[in-house]
Amino acid sequence: EPEVTQTPSHQVTQMGQEVILRCVPISNHLYFYWYRQILGQKVEFLVSFYNNEISEKSEIFDDQFSVERPDGSNFTLKIRSTKLEDSAMYFCASSDDPGGNSPLHFGNGTRLTVT
Amino acid sequence: GESVGLHLPTLSVQEGDNSIINCAYSNSASDYFIWYKQESGKGPQFIIDIRSNMDKRQGQRVTVLLNKTVKHLSLQIAATQPGDSAVYFCAETPGTYKYIFGTGTRLKVLA
Repeated sequence: EPEVTQTPSHQVTQMGQEVILRCVPISNHLYFYWYRQILGQKVEFLVSFYNNEISEKSEIFDDQFSVERPDGSNFTLKIRSTKLEDSAMYFCASSDDPGGNSPLHFGNGTRLTVT
Repeated sequence: GESVGLHLPTLSVQEGDNSIINCAYSNSASDYFIWYKQESGKGPQFIIDIRSNMDKRQGQRVTVLLNKTVKHLSLQIAATQPGDSAVYFCAETPGTYKYIFGTGTRLKVLA
């Protein structure tokens, strides 16, 4: 069964550094998402992306964050200057429909630790 | 129930019993709902979905019930097994390009 893959599984970085989290969505999907989950808490929406542009973003997704689809298979999340509170699990998801007809399929996440 | 900080509501059931996990959603405009299962160290895994024009949908060992009047969703798991132990999230779609997750319930299956 096709799956969403994310790399790395764990990223440790120092406060103020830039990180790029990488995702390969399911190949025939057109809608891509990033979510964040702070340890033990709910899964929070960050951003959705379609047709090479952001479709919707949450208040968490401020100017420190950016997303990109650099080629036909990868989808990345960049955090320009990491803060301690950015430590969380980051999940990438994709779907073949923007909402209302099919579920999101999630990767297993990247655990980001900011020290 | 509501979660506070790091404390998820927990449901403990005996192996073989049925489980019922509840979720209150927030947006009356939501028209599509999904239940996800999340095991430790993994991403959310799709279990079952339901559209707002239905009030019940059954899968293999799982049933989702939707009550739009009170904005309530429930997941029933029949004959709960140890492998069902996980955190369960409901998600709603109040519009396109956005799926909103609930706070989650931890299911513990007792042998």
